[in-house]
Amino acid sequence: DTEVTQTPKHLVMGMTNKKSLKCEQHMGHRAMYWYKQKAKKPPELMFVYSYEKLSINESVPSRFSPECPNSSLLNLHLHALQPEDSALYLCASSQVWAGSNEKLFFGSGTQLSVL
Amino acid sequence: GQQLNQSPQSMFIQEGEDVSMNCTSSSIFNTWLWYKQDPGEGPVLLIALYKAGELTSNGRLTAQFGITRKDSFLNISASIPSDVGIYFCAGHPTGGGNTGKLIFGQGTTLQVKP
Repeated sequence: DTEVTQTPKHLVMGMTNKKSLKCEQHMGHRAMYWYKQKAKKPPELMFVYSYEKLSINESVPSRFSPECPNSSLLNLHLHALQPEDSALYLCASSQVWAGSNEKLFFGSGTQLSVL
Repeated sequence: GQQLNQSPQSMFIQEGEDVSMNCTSSSIFNTWLWYKQDPGEGPVLLIALYKAGELTSNGRLTAQFGITRKDSFLNISASIPSDVGIYFCAGHPTGGGNTGKLIFGQGTTLQVKP
């Protein structure tokens, strides 16, 4: 099983709303990632969790708040987003973080539209 | 920062034709990964390469890790309509300052005419 599951598939929210994106993997991976992707561009790293601890925050605005409740789950809490935050948000996992041979497995993403 | 130059940026080919795309870098890489992404979906890992000179196949796909460790190639033989999508190369660079982040190329958009 190499599946990373993301919910919801699509999300439309207003700038004053609070919403959460969810990600789950059951591959026993200890590294989980959030990426943001604009149309026809490569994914951009936002956060990395390693063994349930935040290892990397790529200077992401505080209106994005990640959470890793356990080794299988990863959430991204959204609050007071801007229209330019509209994008495909991807979750990924790998066996460990910072290994030079790690393969990342991606979920199908949440297509977020901020109105 | 480190960059991957992926080419071509886009391709429009006839069904049945072979396709070739590549990624190059000024830095040495430990690992090369090739992903395919369909519209509205996440990238799917196609092939992973770990050694200089390594040649790996996955069905009609073949990828190679360049001898210099600064490039990689992906070939698709006898293309079919479902090959349509964006192909990304990605890799783990070596050397000082490597934090383990995966570096992505800019993508090659493939369109196949039936």
